[in-house]
Amino acid sequence: DTAVSQTPKYLVTQMGNDKSIKCEQNLGHDTMYWYKQDSKKFLKIMFSYNNKELIINETVPNRFSPKSPDKAHLNLHINSLELGDSAVYFCASEPTGTTNEKLFFGSGTQLSVL
Amino acid sequence: GENVEQHPSTLSVQEGDSAVIKCTYSDSASNYFPWYKQELGKRPQLIIDIRSNVGEKKDQRIAVTLNKTAKHFSLHITETQPEDSAVYFCAASMGDKIIFGKGTRLHILP
Repeated sequence: DTAVSQTPKYLVTQMGNDKSIKCEQNLGHDTMYWYKQDSKKFLKIMFSYNNKELIINETVPNRFSPKSPDKAHLNLHINSLELGDSAVYFCASEPTGTTNEKLFFGSGTQLSVL
Repeated sequence: GENVEQHPSTLSVQEGDSAVIKCTYSDSASNYFPWYKQELGKRPQLIIDIRSNVGEKKDQRIAVTLNKTAKHFSLHITETQPEDSAVYFCAASMGDKIIFGKGTRLHILP
């Protein structure tokens, strides 16, 4: 009964491939995020959705496309993977989008692009 | 621009001593300042947070102070223990976003 779950935990793939990472939260939260953590451990926000609606879209290449079929799910699809996409990707959720609250992180997906 | 600066990037302290990590933020409208701890291979987890209407908050061995005028906030860990070894991130709210500092790797020396 993990609160925020991501799959897969590890993803190893070749350059040029397309891959998806899935995220689900069972906390009833309205807001979900994707963060990228690079090799230097820097956590950088990529996207946020509030109740299935895109709220934040940082300067992320359009090869990255988030999709939120419902407010409990936020998936991340990446086209034409590049070496620089190698990182740990964390999904997170937050109770509400109106005031800032504690973020609940998933366990991360370690993406390695060869 | 949106920025949270965190220092030091690495900190080593003897077990039992105190550790202090400092952050500054750029947006004077920021009103929420969480601190996250990330152990090796694990997810970041909230350890303490403070809002702009409060100057200090304590939770057992952890305390956070906030100076809104200087746009500066700090994490204090007293009586450090081996399990405190981790990467610590400060963060600040900026509009709809939580922006993280670059992290401090804390080593507790035996």
